[in-house]
Amino acid sequence: AQSVAQPEDQVNVAEGNPLTVKCTYSVSGNPYLFWYVQYPNRGLQFLLKYITGDNLVKGSYGFEAEFNKSQTSFHLKKPSALVSDSALYFCAVRGLRGSARQLTFGSGTQLTVLP
Amino acid sequence: SQTIHQWPATLVQPVGSPLSLECTVEGTSNPNLYWYRQAAGRGLQLLFYSVGIGQISSEVPQNLSASRPQDRQFILSSKKLLLSDSGFYLCAWSGETGELFFGEGSRLTVL
Repeated sequence: AQSVAQPEDQVNVAEGNPLTVKCTYSVSGNPYLFWYVQYPNRGLQFLLKYITGDNLVKGSYGFEAEFNKSQTSFHLKKPSALVSDSALYFCAVRGLRGSARQLTFGSGTQLTVLP
Repeated sequence: SQTIHQWPATLVQPVGSPLSLECTVEGTSNPNLYWYRQAAGRGLQLLFYSVGIGQISSEVPQNLSASRPQDRQFILSSKKLLLSDSGFYLCAWSGETGELFFGEGSRLTVL
């Protein structure tokens, strides 16, 4: 069975500082990894995905994520946080041969960027 | 470009009343469609998915049902709501690239 762990329920960072939101996964075969962001009372917005290729994936709003196969991690990063980045972030995984209905989401990490 | 619409955005219903939440997708054909529920504790639970008109798969037993009367329309229903049906309901679609794209959600409160 596949799974996703987001070990931090809450991450606080000062505006202008770099941010990292952690994600580790478990899946059979090669992974298909995603990050989504959710603002209050809104749907999830797609940020970025990793299929194959470069381990550093660039996405929307200046976010990037680093795939590490040996550590089975896919941490979300941004060099300089903005107050407007404050939101709930979800990591998700499925097997490369699976389908979207098999996507497993983490429990979410609430990011708060302090002015 | 593709867009997905959900309505109503918020709904307050008494226990035992019926429910209908609608979702439509524009700008794509034959999408795979999904209904998720997000409980207050954040977790996302897949309720139903559909690969075509009239084709519905249920992921968990529950008080809800889904229908897909048209290619780009997906409806979530209940004949009699329970208190435990309260939550934030999200419709999503996926295309050939495999990622999910979500609507803005419908918040249901059952009293």
